[in-house]
This record gives sequence, C-alpha cells and structure tokens, in this order.
Amino acid sequence: GAVVSQHPSRVICKSGTSVKIECRSLDFQATTMFWYRQFPKQSLMLMATSNEGSKATYEQGVEKDKFLINHASLTLSTLTVTSAHPEDSSFYICSAQGLAGRNTDTQYFGPGTRLTVL
Amino acid sequence: AQTVTQSQPEMSVQEAETVTLSCTYDTSESNYYLFWYKQPPSRQMILVIRQEAYKQQNATENRFSVNFQKAAKSFSLKISDSQLGDTAMYFCAFSGGYQKVTFGIGTKLQVIP
Repeated sequence: GAVVSQHPSRVICKSGTSVKIECRSLDFQATTMFWYRQFPKQSLMLMATSNEGSKATYEQGVEKDKFLINHASLTLSTLTVTSAHPEDSSFYICSAQGLAGRNTDTQYFGPGTRLTVL
Repeated sequence: AQTVTQSQPEMSVQEAETVTLSCTYDTSESNYYLFWYKQPPSRQMILVIRQEAYKQQNATENRFSVNFQKAAKSFSLKISDSQLGDTAMYFCAFSGGYQKVTFGIGTKLQVIP
C-alpha cells in the first residue's frame, strides 16, 4: 500500500516553455502533498506544501509564480514550472501524506521527474 | 528549528555482514517521528523504517532495526545480513507536529560482494 506515482518520469523542454508534473496517490487519499527538488548528490529540498483545496505554502526563496502548485483532489497534485530556464533543470520529487491510519504521519514518495531545460 | 545530522558521508559493508548508520537530531518538541528512507540508484525514495518518539521500543522491519536513544537524540539504523540491493543513499528524517520533514544529508552505503 501507499503507492505514489509521478508523471512524466523525464521531460526535456525548451527555455521559456512551461512544464507540468503530476503526482498521484494511487491507493490512499492524500490530504497533504509535498514537492521537493533534489540536486545531484544532495539531500531533498522542500519547495512547497500543498493541502487539498487550499493554496500551497511555499518555502522561503521559492518563487510561487514560477512553480505553480495545484492540489484539486485528494489524489492529485500538480507542479507547473512556468517559463522554464536551464537553471530549473533538476530532479523533482513529490510525496503524499494520508488521511487516516498509519499514513497520517508518514510521507510516501513518488519516483521523481527529471527535468532538463535546454 | 529541527536539525538532522548524518556524520558518515559514505560507508561500505561486505555482503551478509551488519552495518550501522548514525543519525542525531535536535528538537525541542516532545512528540515526533523519525524515519529512515533509502534512495537507490533509481532515485525512488523508499521508506525503510519509522519510529514514534513516544514509544520506547525500537522499531524493526525484517533485517532493519533502529537504536532510538531519545535522551541522546540519536537514531541509528542497523542493517543485518546486508544484501547487494541495500546499496543506496540512506536519509535520516525527522517530522514534528507540523507535517514538514527535515532530512539529513544522507549516507551513501555500498554493499560489497
């Protein structure tokens, strides 16, 4: 149980375009989803916390207009990187935290999305 | 603010042997959760084991166990009978009452055949 999917797994785009990444909890309802960025050989950096039906809370230094987060349902959150630039190239990981039972205090992670901006 | 410290950047262990990864943390909260996550080369973060701070008993999951010392704020992971598939980055993580998780910088574990 507690499976989280992420799509796409890899995306290459041109500078100036926008890219949408989807994060889905497949077998549980996620009240909260998190978006992380991971640079090579580094730990995860939290970008934002997304609660279903409300606006995301962004960490300091993360541009909310550049990284648009939508959490419209209990199983889906999306991250849109707007007007992407090469410095946005990174590995993006989402995680989901559930409603009830043992899932409420544990984050379960998606497989990640490798974004390359040319 | 919480901090999580992993002081071993890299470790290696022979297959079938036992290895212990260290983690210390700092917090003023009394109730919290601690986790070990594994990130293999595929980069999928996998939950290895979870410990609730109010439980004195150390968590175990098959070959994985923790030594949780609350007073010392220490949370080490022991991997018994190491297997090649255990090769990965291991992240220690802390979660207080506000959902956010604080990760350590990771320990790279190499299991040698």
